[in-house]
Amino acid sequence: QLQLQESGPGLVKPSETLSLTCTVSGGSISSGSYYWGWIRQPPGKGLEWIGSIYYSGSTYYNPSLKSRVTISVDTSKDQFSLRLSSVTAADTTVYYCASHTDCSTTSCRFDNWGQGTLVTVSS
Amino acid sequence: DIQMTQSPSSVSASVGDRVTITCRASQGIGSWLAWYQQKPGKAPKLLIYAASSLQSGVPSRFSGSGSGTDFTLTISSLQPEDFATYYCQQANSFPLTFGGGTKVEIK
Repeated sequence: QLQLQESGPGLVKPSETLSLTCTVSGGSISSGSYYWGWIRQPPGKGLEWIGSIYYSGSTYYNPSLKSRVTISVDTSKDQFSLRLSSVTAADTTVYYCASHTDCSTTSCRFDNWGQGTLVTVSS
Repeated sequence: DIQMTQSPSSVSASVGDRVTITCRASQGIGSWLAWYQQKPGKAPKLLIYAASSLQSGVPSRFSGSGSGTDFTLTISSLQPEDFATYYCQQANSFPLTFGGGTKVEIK
């Protein structure tokens, strides 16, 4: 059973860059079985997909955030990372990492999730 | 982007009740839809994928149906542990999008 765990600062200053890492255990990012995604959820609100990456480095981003988002993968560490630049208070949310199946060949779904980490944007 | 609209936004029900939640896509998505359950302070949990396929380990009282633009999640007999918020997610195209959620509350 895959396990995912987010890590990173819980507090980021406005205009700076938010950086989070997701560590995968119980399986290998390089297995090719999954894509690796980031989803966020403002407190008390709904879910927003940020983007996803495959172990090869192929990325898919939400156009609403694309100009500010970079997702990368480190297969040697079984980790993938999120960078969100020029943050504002609107980026204060819980960030989840999750695995999902191939969306081009299946009805892709997020079947393994991290516990989530709250990131607050404040000076 | 494909917009996902859930209704109702909240429902009050009793243990043992049958509960139905609807999700409508702004354009046809075939059967490419998933349902999740989320409890306070926890990550969402996958219940249903491909509109009607039950995720391993999920109780059979949960079922999904629909195709095209209209989908339904049904809980056949509500249990105490089912009080939570439920989300649909379309898997037809990027960007992946979620419905706004339906909160199932205790009557």
